[in-house]
Amino acid sequence: DQQVKQNSPSLSVQEGRISILNCDYTNSMFDYFLWYKKYPAEGPTFLISISSIKDKNEDGRFTVFLNKSAKHLSLHIVPSQPGDSAVYFCAASDRTNFGNEKLTFGTGTRLTIIP
Amino acid sequence: NAGVTQTPKFQVLKTGQSMTLQCAQDMNHNSMYWYRQDPGMGLRLIYYSASEGTTDKGEVPNGYNVSRLNKREFSLRLESAAPSQTSVYFCASILSRNFGEQYFGPGTRLTVT
Repeated sequence: DQQVKQNSPSLSVQEGRISILNCDYTNSMFDYFLWYKKYPAEGPTFLISISSIKDKNEDGRFTVFLNKSAKHLSLHIVPSQPGDSAVYFCAASDRTNFGNEKLTFGTGTRLTIIP
Repeated sequence: NAGVTQTPKFQVLKTGQSMTLQCAQDMNHNSMYWYRQDPGMGLRLIYYSASEGTTDKGEVPNGYNVSRLNKREFSLRLESAAPSQTSVYFCASILSRNFGEQYFGPGTRLTVT
């Protein structure tokens, strides 16, 4: 049972345009959400997070939106740059009960930025 | 600061062989984790250690054992490798369960034939 779903395995976006990566979750106990970025042959690196008490968090070119009623979050990258080409993982935790110990990851979306 | 380091980077095993994957962190983090990543499955938690001397099972612990040797090191052992354990293994650490984000190592690509 996939509690965190990234339904788009891949996405291609023109350089300079907006990239939107989507993530859905089913577990209503999740109260903290993260995005990780992964380059080939490297480990995932933390990108941005959002607590369930917020609906938006921004960090430079990266913004994460959370829609709790729809159990949906999205990552916006604007403008997209070639260095953004990577696999992006959505992750969620029940931070109230488990802290950051038990992250549940989605399957990832491979983003390709076209120059 | 090297962050989280893992050895080896690559390994090929025959079915039934055993091996230990090593992980070390130099960030004085308290909690450490082992994940596996399989195509189409995302990252799944195998075992974790909330602090030195403690370990707990994650989502997919069968076929693995772990040792939290000290605060810096957390090893993952496959006693009798099976083809189903072919995967990329990532170690991660975090300052504490309620503070900070997980930092990942570069991974170990393991093939079991």
